[in-house]
Amino acid sequence: DGGITQSPKYLFRKEGQNVTLSCEQNLNHDAMYWYRQDPGQGLRLIYYSQIVNDFQKGDIAEGYSVSREKKESFPLTVTSAQKNPTAFYLCASSIGFIRQGKLGETQYFGPGTRLLVL
Amino acid sequence: AQKVTQAQTEISVVEKEDVTLDCVYETRDTTYYLFWYKQPPSGELVFLIRRNSFDEQNEISGRYSWNFQKSTSSFNFTITASQVVDSAVYFCALCRYSGAGSYQLTFGKGTKLSVIP
Repeated sequence: DGGITQSPKYLFRKEGQNVTLSCEQNLNHDAMYWYRQDPGQGLRLIYYSQIVNDFQKGDIAEGYSVSREKKESFPLTVTSAQKNPTAFYLCASSIGFIRQGKLGETQYFGPGTRLLVL
Repeated sequence: AQKVTQAQTEISVVEKEDVTLDCVYETRDTTYYLFWYKQPPSGELVFLIRRNSFDEQNEISGRYSWNFQKSTSSFNFTITASQVVDSAVYFCALCRYSGAGSYQLTFGKGTKLSVIP
C-alpha cells in the first residue's frame, strides 16, 4: 500500500539534544513538507522540498533543519536551538508543482510524531 | 495576506443531527484552491475535498456537502445525520503561492466536532 510513514510515534528530547524525525513516502511524490501543530492551533509550515537536494524554509524554520537526499525521505532535525519543541509534527507529500504544474495540488499526510521534552 | 478563519472552536451535536462547519478565507489571488481535512484522535490528517476558485458548484459526497460562496469568501462544510465516527478536528486550508514556483497551505485553527451518542 502506498502511503507516508513517520517514526517514531513518540519521541523524547533532553535539554540541549538534537533529535531527528523520520518521514518516508512511497507515493512517488516529488514534494514533501513538515508541519508543526500545537494544541488548539492549525498547522504551521516548517520546511518544504519540491525536489531532491532542494528545500525551502517555511514560516517557522528557526531551530529546525532538513535534508532531502532521496526522493522518498525527508528527515527533520529538531536542534537544541529550538527552545519550545514540544508539539505534534506532521509530514506530508504531494505530486509536486514541477511535475503537475498546477496550483492547488493535494497534500497527503503521515500519522505524525509527538515530541516531548524531558 | 492569506488568512483562514474557523470561528467555531468546538461544536457538540447529538448523533443524527446535521452540523455545519464554517470557513472564511482572505486572499488577494484570483486563482486559488481550498481544502478540508479531517483529523481524528489518531492524529493523521485525512483529505476530504479540494475546490478551485472558479468552480462554485456545491459538492455532495455521501453525508458530506460543501458550499462554496466566492461573494462571501466562505467554504462551509455540512455533515448530514452525524455519526460518532465523525468526531474529529476539521481543518479548512487555503493554497497560496509562496514564490519561486512553490505553493503552500495556510490552515485555519480547526473546529473540534464532538458527536454524542
